[in-house]
Amino acid sequence: AQTVTQSQPEMSVQEAETVTLSCTYDTSESDYYLFWYKQPPSRQMILVIRQEAYKQQNATENRFSVNFQKAAKSFSLKISDSQLGDAAMYFCAYRSGLTNFGNEKLTFGTGTRLTIIP
Amino acid sequence: GAGVSQSPSNKVTEKGKDVELRCDPISGHTALYWYRQSLGQGLEFLIYFQGNSAPDKSGLPSDRFSAERTGGSVSTLTIQRTQQEDSAVYLCASSFRTSGVTYNEQFFGPGTRLTVL
Repeated sequence: AQTVTQSQPEMSVQEAETVTLSCTYDTSESDYYLFWYKQPPSRQMILVIRQEAYKQQNATENRFSVNFQKAAKSFSLKISDSQLGDAAMYFCAYRSGLTNFGNEKLTFGTGTRLTIIP
Repeated sequence: GAGVSQSPSNKVTEKGKDVELRCDPISGHTALYWYRQSLGQGLEFLIYFQGNSAPDKSGLPSDRFSAERTGGSVSTLTIQRTQQEDSAVYLCASSFRTSGVTYNEQFFGPGTRLTVL
């Protein structure tokens, strides 16, 4: 079974600064997806960024980028130029790359609460 | 609809009572997922529907939990004889899942916060 670990329950960063959230995972699969989700107080999970394991290039979405280290099974999220609206819970998640029905479920870490200091 | 909706938003019940939680997926989405988020925990997978059938029920924690989906659309998660440990946020997600396509984004609803007294 796959597991996802987020070892930082809470992080804080000054507005406009850069912060990195850590995530490690364990799997025996070679093909999979990794995600970072944001959960604001509204509870709605919002997809921030996605990484396919077969891609060596790190994914980037505007101020959000990842550092994907496949051999180390590490997947960190870097938020640049932090904004007040970035304050939320951030969850790292894993999904199998198998295409048969039933493999789409997401396995989540326990989350990191990010606080932005004005 | 514009997004995944869930009702009720909050539910308070007494220990031992049955509860039903509803999920309305995005129109046309074939796949539907239920997750549970306990306090201080990440999301935990409960069950997955493809159409009206459930190929994966592996996450249901006990036989007090059941779910159904009718008409390939609305899904109901039922918890019988609720216990205090059932208190959590129950989140639903949907995606347009087709055979042979490796990735389809899951879109989440706002969840139902269940409190068992």
